[in-house]
Amino acid sequence: QVQLQESGPGLVKPSETLSLTCDISAYSISSTFHWAWIRQPPGKGLEWIGDIWRSGTTYYNPSLNSRVTISVDTSKSQFSLTLRSVTAADTAMYYCARRLGVAGHWSFDLWGRGTLVSVSS
Amino acid sequence: DIQMTQSPSSLSASVGDRVTITCRASQDIRNYLAWFQQKPGKAPKSLIYAASSLQSGVPSKFSGSGSGTDFTLTINNLQPEDFGTYYCQQYISYPLTFGGGTKVEIK
Repeated sequence: QVQLQESGPGLVKPSETLSLTCDISAYSISSTFHWAWIRQPPGKGLEWIGDIWRSGTTYYNPSLNSRVTISVDTSKSQFSLTLRSVTAADTAMYYCARRLGVAGHWSFDLWGRGTLVSVSS
Repeated sequence: DIQMTQSPSSLSASVGDRVTITCRASQDIRNYLAWFQQKPGKAPKSLIYAASSLQSGVPSKFSGSGSGTDFTLTINNLQPEDFGTYYCQQYISYPLTFGGGTKVEIK
């Protein structure tokens, strides 16, 4: 079973940068998948942050576009999320997820367990 | 952005019941719709893609239908392990968007 595991600091100060990685050990990150980050503020619903395709092309939520970067490190079999200038509104559980393509349908089929990031001084 | 609206926002049902959750898209998304189950403190679990196709390993008690703007998720023979919050999500266009969720409680 492919495992996704998020890692990164659980506490970030306001105005600083949030950095998370998603490890997909035991699987090749360059295979026919897309990779994504999703977040969920405490007690609220799911918000898509962005995708990175195996081609390296990225798509971001316009609500975060100017602050977010998603990248892939194929040598480490992981991909990462960087969110700059964080505020308390960025406090959330952050999930990495895989998008599997079946007959043109690129749906989320596998999720990480999530990592809680709090923004506070 | 495509808005996804779920109803009801919560429901309570008895063991053995059939439960139906509705999801409406603000524009035509054909069948580019997925459903997820999330239990408290856990990551979402993928149930359905392409509006009606079960993800691998998902029991057939879950079924999805619909196309265009109106979709449903049906859970047959509701069991205690089916409690949780269910989300729909469109993936026909960016930004990907989720419905607000439907919380299913067991009576």
